[in-house]
Amino acid sequence: EAGVTQSPTHLIKTRGQQATLRCSPISGHTSVYWYQQALGLGLQFLLWYDEGEERNRGNFPPRFSGRQFPNYSSELNVNALELEDSALYLCASSFLPGTGNIQYFGAGTRLSVL
Amino acid sequence: AQKVTQAQTEISVVEKEDVTLDCVYETRDTTYYLFWYKQPPSGELVFLIRRNSFDEQNEISGRYSWNFQKSTSSFNFTITASQVVDSAVYFCALSEPGGYQKVTFGTGTKLQVIP
Repeated sequence: EAGVTQSPTHLIKTRGQQATLRCSPISGHTSVYWYQQALGLGLQFLLWYDEGEERNRGNFPPRFSGRQFPNYSSELNVNALELEDSALYLCASSFLPGTGNIQYFGAGTRLSVL
Repeated sequence: AQKVTQAQTEISVVEKEDVTLDCVYETRDTTYYLFWYKQPPSGELVFLIRRNSFDEQNEISGRYSWNFQKSTSSFNFTITASQVVDSAVYFCALSEPGGYQKVTFGTGTKLQVIP
């Protein structure tokens, strides 16, 4: 069974541009989560989608947005890129939303903003 | 607010040594879940264990063991007879109830096992 897949693996953008990151969850998983892992800061929760709806978001500005498609895949959009947006962006999925559900992670997209 | 502290930023051990990774958490809830994940250089976080707040039994899985102590709000992870393949960043995480699906991760401990 395929795990969580993310594309692209690497993405290089310049300041002010927009970035789109994609995530396909494990088959049967309806919840998708996005995290930002900046150097030395651990994982910071960005967004949670379930059944096509945004259910929760972390402490990030509105230029971080996304959506979930009917097939449960998801994309994360980052507008007006800033240098500090350079990070590894990780996507995770879980079978059901619920406290304590195990989140399974993809390998991430490394975004570099020049 | 919930918080997870992994005070050890980096640890180096020689192969076959035992090593313990510390995790201390803060929460006001009585029901919560704790996790450990491993992040090898490839970047993908690998789930290792989940423990709910009502289960304080220690767990052993091969060379891995976990010590959960509510009295000290700690959930420590021990690798016995470490191997080079154990080299990775290890994250402790806390999930609280409330339906918001927010998981708080510690900043991670980078473990280097030297052959």
